[in-house]
Amino acid sequence: GEDVEQSLFLSVREGDSSVINCTYTDSSSTYLYWYKQEPGAGLQLLTYIFSNMDMKQDQRLTVLLNKKDKHLSLRIADTQTGDSAIYFCAESIEDSGYALNFGKGTSLLVTP
Amino acid sequence: DAGITQSPRHKVTETGTPVTLRCHQTENHRYMYWYRQDPGHGLRLIHYSYGVKDTDKGEVSDGYSVSRSKTEDFLLTLESATSSQTSVYFCAISEQGGSGGTQYFGPGTRLLVL
Repeated sequence: GEDVEQSLFLSVREGDSSVINCTYTDSSSTYLYWYKQEPGAGLQLLTYIFSNMDMKQDQRLTVLLNKKDKHLSLRIADTQTGDSAIYFCAESIEDSGYALNFGKGTSLLVTP
Repeated sequence: DAGITQSPRHKVTETGTPVTLRCHQTENHRYMYWYRQDPGHGLRLIHYSYGVKDTDKGEVSDGYSVSRSKTEDFLLTLESATSSQTSVYFCAISEQGGSGGTQYFGPGTRLLVL
């Protein structure tokens, strides 16, 4: 499928905010997702946003959606060392049983 | 956590041998998916199922087949394993299709083909 684009690496200091950006491809995607993967583990659903929303907040997580530019971002407030992981943006693919089309993932490193 | 298990969790095999990976769910979800994860590629869809005996191909289906004879089990078979199929394989389930069908992932199977 077409590429969902993400920056590959992000390094922040503990306590700062992290912003991970994503550009998706399918304007018909109704939901967009953020998953987290810790080393050696599976993917954990972090949050998702419905396409008729501009923003969704869930505790320390804020998702912003710019549908015109097909741009999605995930902001993590007060980033902790436990937030160090790979973060994947994903859109659903209607033609493939609504399977997910993933970006390559952003490796977030949080330093003390 | 959604009730998804994958077996085996780790496997080493030789080129040319058949390999079957199993995904088992206890959630009675209709949709099941197999993805592979490789460095530099993220996750890519191999095959998916939208019901018992209903399956279809994904982006990277060559060299793989699947079967779903029961709602709870989705099997992925590498017909003749090659080194390029060394990867981490993830199964996912979803209760409903459509963009609202949130997917939950299993723990993964690490496969090494020598």
